[in-house]
Amino acid sequence: TQLLEQSPQFLSIQEGENLTVYCNSSSVFSSLQWYRQEPGEGPVLLVTVVTGGEVKKLKRLTFQFGDARKDSSLHITAAQPGDTGLYLCAGADSNYQLIWGAGTKLIIKP
Amino acid sequence: GAGVSQSPSNKVTEKGKDVELRCDPISGHTALYWYRQSLGQGLEFLIYFQGNSAPDKSGLPSDRFSAERTGGSVSTLTIQRTQQEDSAVYLCASSLMGYSSYEQYFGPGTRLTVT
Repeated sequence: TQLLEQSPQFLSIQEGENLTVYCNSSSVFSSLQWYRQEPGEGPVLLVTVVTGGEVKKLKRLTFQFGDARKDSSLHITAAQPGDTGLYLCAGADSNYQLIWGAGTKLIIKP
Repeated sequence: GAGVSQSPSNKVTEKGKDVELRCDPISGHTALYWYRQSLGQGLEFLIYFQGNSAPDKSGLPSDRFSAERTGGSVSTLTIQRTQQEDSAVYLCASSLMGYSSYEQYFGPGTRLTVT
């Protein structure tokens, strides 16, 4: 059974601080997606990483896919209250299913 | 353009009653997924529809759960004889194609509370 472990499960920091969220597995994924979910809404895709070692930037968010395509990280620079939400990683297996992490609940305090 | 819509947004039901949850996917999307999400947690896969193929029901937690997709569009998730442990947010997502690398577009979910 493929599993994706996210850490930390919960993070509360002050505005302006930096943070990193991790997504780890013992399985290899063909690609990995990061979603953000706000209360009362469904998850929204932030980025998809495909190539081992790939780094993608989305404004203050930096996503990295591990060289072996088993892990990924999300780094936020100078976090803002608008970054608050539940961050979910999801690994694509060889078929049509996404393997979902349990999520990281992020709170940015003004 | 219209996104994925779900109804109702909230449903409170008594234990033992049946409920139906509806999902309207994005037009033209061939793949449709149902997930269950407990408070602030990750997503639990329930069922997957792709075109006219037989659905993948491997995630349904019990035979009280069933789903159908009519005409390759609207889908209904039915829970019979609801139990308190069924309380959760039920999310529907659609995707242009039925491959895991494709982006899934989610509806806002139906919050089900079983009393």
